[in-house]
Amino acid sequence: AQSVSQHNHHVILSEAASLELGCNYSYGGTVNLFWYVQYPGQHLQLLLKYFSGDPLVKGIKGFEAEFIKSKFSFNLRKPSVQWSDTAEYFCAVNAAGGGADGLTFGKGTHLIIQP
Amino acid sequence: NAGVTQTPKFQVLKTGQSMTLQCAQDMNHEYMSWYRQDPGMGLRLIHYSVGAGITDQGEVPNGYNVSRSTTEDFPLRLLSAAPSQTSVYFCASSPWRGPYNEQFFGPGTRLTVL
Repeated sequence: AQSVSQHNHHVILSEAASLELGCNYSYGGTVNLFWYVQYPGQHLQLLLKYFSGDPLVKGIKGFEAEFIKSKFSFNLRKPSVQWSDTAEYFCAVNAAGGGADGLTFGKGTHLIIQP
Repeated sequence: NAGVTQTPKFQVLKTGQSMTLQCAQDMNHEYMSWYRQDPGMGLRLIHYSVGAGITDQGEVPNGYNVSRSTTEDFPLRLLSAAPSQTSVYFCASSPWRGPYNEQFFGPGTRLTVL
């Protein structure tokens, strides 16, 4: 079974600061990787996903993530955050080609952007 | 498309009561799932279904039942509510599972058990 670890539970940044949220997973095979975002009071939305190909993937709202297979990592980045990026961010993994038991989520990172 | 819908949005139960959380999707997705979200725990899978008539247990199935009589609907039943089941419940659906199973989430049901 796969597992996901998100390093930071709470992150506070000022507007225009750069963001990097860590995500590491454990699984021996090929994986599909996701970042979901949950804005206050809303449901989860997909930010970006990686299945194969270019390990640098771009998502919505200026977010990107880099898959580093050797490090089992899929860190989320944004060069300049905005107040509207305040949200909870979840990294998730699913074993490629299988995994009927859904996504395995990390515990989430609560990001607060101060104006 | 309405996407994934859940009812009710909020619910308060007393210990021992039973209830059903409703989930429906209009995207003709084969795969549906239920998660619970607790502070500091992320989302944990309760039950899932890969198609009508087929269900299976996830990580935290105890105290919950599901059925899947149609492609569209995937209700979650709490048999005898306990305070430990106080949580936010999310239903999600996905096209037939394979390597591209991005999931689409409903708006959630916030349940409090007293």
